[in-house]
Order: sequence, then C-alpha cells, then structure tokens
Amino acid sequence: EPEVTQTPSHQVTQMGQEVILRCVPISNHLYFYWYRQILGQKVEFLVSFYNNEISEKSEIFDDQFSVERPDGSNFTLKIRSTKLEDSAMYFCATMTGEETQYFGPGTRLLVL
Amino acid sequence: AQSVTQPDIHITVSEGASLELRCNYSYGATPYLFWYVQSPGQGLQLLLKYFSGDTLVQGIKGFEAEFKRSQSSFNLRKPSVHWSDAAEYFCAVRQAAGNKLTFGGGTRVLVKP
Repeated sequence: EPEVTQTPSHQVTQMGQEVILRCVPISNHLYFYWYRQILGQKVEFLVSFYNNEISEKSEIFDDQFSVERPDGSNFTLKIRSTKLEDSAMYFCATMTGEETQYFGPGTRLLVL
Repeated sequence: AQSVTQPDIHITVSEGASLELRCNYSYGATPYLFWYVQSPGQGLQLLLKYFSGDTLVQGIKGFEAEFKRSQSSFNLRKPSVHWSDAAEYFCAVRQAAGNKLTFGGGTRVLVKP
C-alpha cells in the first residue's frame, strides 16, 4: 500500500538555524499539508498546498515558514530561523480529491 | 470556528473489554469526521471516516463509530480490545468546503492484561 514518507525522522538543531523537512507524497495525490504536534498538545494545522501554491495557512505559519515542491515530487517545509518553541513533531499529509488525508510518520524536531 | 472536544484524556480498559471514546464537535453544518490512531513513535493512521449516509461506519481493526447529529458527536467503539489497541486516538473534523483538519486533544488508551 502506498505511503507518505518523511525525512529525517529526527532532527536536532541550534536555535536560529534553518531546517528543511521533507515529505514524499503518495504518487497521485495533489493536495499537501503540514501539521505539527507540540509535545502533549493537539495536532495543529500549519499549511495546505495545491497546484504549486499555498491554499490556506494558519496563524502559526508566519514568515519564518515556507513550503515548496522543488522537483515535483518532494514537498518541503522550511523553517528559516528556528526558535525553541518550534520543537515539535511535524507531520506531512497528502490527499487526492477524495477527501481523506494520509499522514506520514512525522519528523521530530528538537531546537536547542 | 470549528472545534473538537475529546473529554477523556486517558482511558484504561482491560483486554477483551469494550471501549468507547467520545468526540464532540462544534460546527454549523455537518462536517467530514475522522478518527485517527497514533501508536507510540508512529504517525497518524486513519481508522474510519464519515462523510454522509449511514451514520454507523465501520473502520479498520474492528473499530466502528456512530455519527449523531443531534448530539454533535462521533463516538468511536470497539467491542473487544486487544493489547495492540493501546495508543492515542484522535478525532478530527473537516469543513466540506475547506481542507484543513481540526483535531481534538486526543485520548490515550491503556490496555490492562
């Protein structure tokens, strides 16, 4: 069964550094999402992406965040200058037009 | 704004016993409703979903959920739990016209032998 994959599984970085989280969607999926889950808290929506542009973003998704599909397959989330409060599990999700989002295993980001 | 409430943060159940996890949502119209499960160190796996039609939906791993419009609820049930059902369970809703999922806070299920 096709799966959403994410790399890396874990990343430790210093505050102020840039990180790029990568997601490989299921091949025929057209809608892409990033969510995050701070330890002990709810899963929160960050951004949705369709047809090479952002379709919706939350108030969390400020200028420090960006997304792109650099090569038509990978879907990336970049955090330009990480803060301590960016430490979280980041989930990629993808969807066809059939309304069900399929989640990857997540990247655990720790900002020191 | 839509919201999702899972009133139970933790539930402990004996293996073989039945399980019911509560989910209430706040939204003006009938949203799309989902239950996901997260095992330790794993991602979110879809258990089942409700869009329309029969209000009792069957999912994977022997789970089912019932949509009750009058109560704005979408409770998850399993008649007989297995030790492997120990995980965290998330209810989520989506507007019909939108894309993003709004999640509840999750319910952690512990299974006693």
